[in-house]
Amino acid sequence: DAGVTQSPTHLIKTRGQQVTLRCSPKSGHDTVSWYQQALGQGPQFIFQYYEEEERQRGNFPDRFSGHQFPNYSSELNVNALLLGDSALYLCASSFLGGFSYFGAGTRLSVL
Amino acid sequence: KQEVTQIPAALSVPEGENLVLNCSFTDSAIYNLQWFRQDPGKGLTSLLLIQSSQREQTSGRLNASLDKSSGRSTLYIAASQPGDSATYLCAALEYGNKLVFGAGTILRVKS
Repeated sequence: DAGVTQSPTHLIKTRGQQVTLRCSPKSGHDTVSWYQQALGQGPQFIFQYYEEEERQRGNFPDRFSGHQFPNYSSELNVNALLLGDSALYLCASSFLGGFSYFGAGTRLSVL
Repeated sequence: KQEVTQIPAALSVPEGENLVLNCSFTDSAIYNLQWFRQDPGKGLTSLLLIQSSQREQTSGRLNASLDKSSGRSTLYIAASQPGDSATYLCAALEYGNKLVFGAGTILRVKS
């Protein structure tokens, strides 16, 4: 079991660009959540996908969007990047409210 | 709005000490309380999950307790080792499988 996998590991972008991050959930999991973790802070909930629908959304602007595919994998898209979007982006998968398993994250740097 | 606070923000102890990390939450309407470990620049590793109906969970040298009425959880680490050095995060699971995190406690165990 590969667990939760995220790609890429690191990304460097410039302000105004767009970025897509990818996540494959743990086998058997159907719910994928995305979190943003700024340096020195706890992760902040961005949104959650279940059955290819956005089920919940945190306090993030519409520049942050996502998608879930039939195989439960997910993408996080961020448009019009700002310097403040620099963070570790974490994907978590779960099933029926059990343990949330996290991937290693994607480190995004916006210059 | 759920708020999770962790005390202390940082802790440095000699090897072999028993220690307690504290977590408090403002809204007792949670499904469970989870403790995670995060190594520098890495993702999150699930340590313990306490369901809202439970009082405590144990795994090896780790013991976590939950008191919903007072909005508190503690993580007890027995006989600490240098390999325990990491950031420890607690998170409350809300309706819809959304985790609300504290900012974490940075633990350093000196050999």
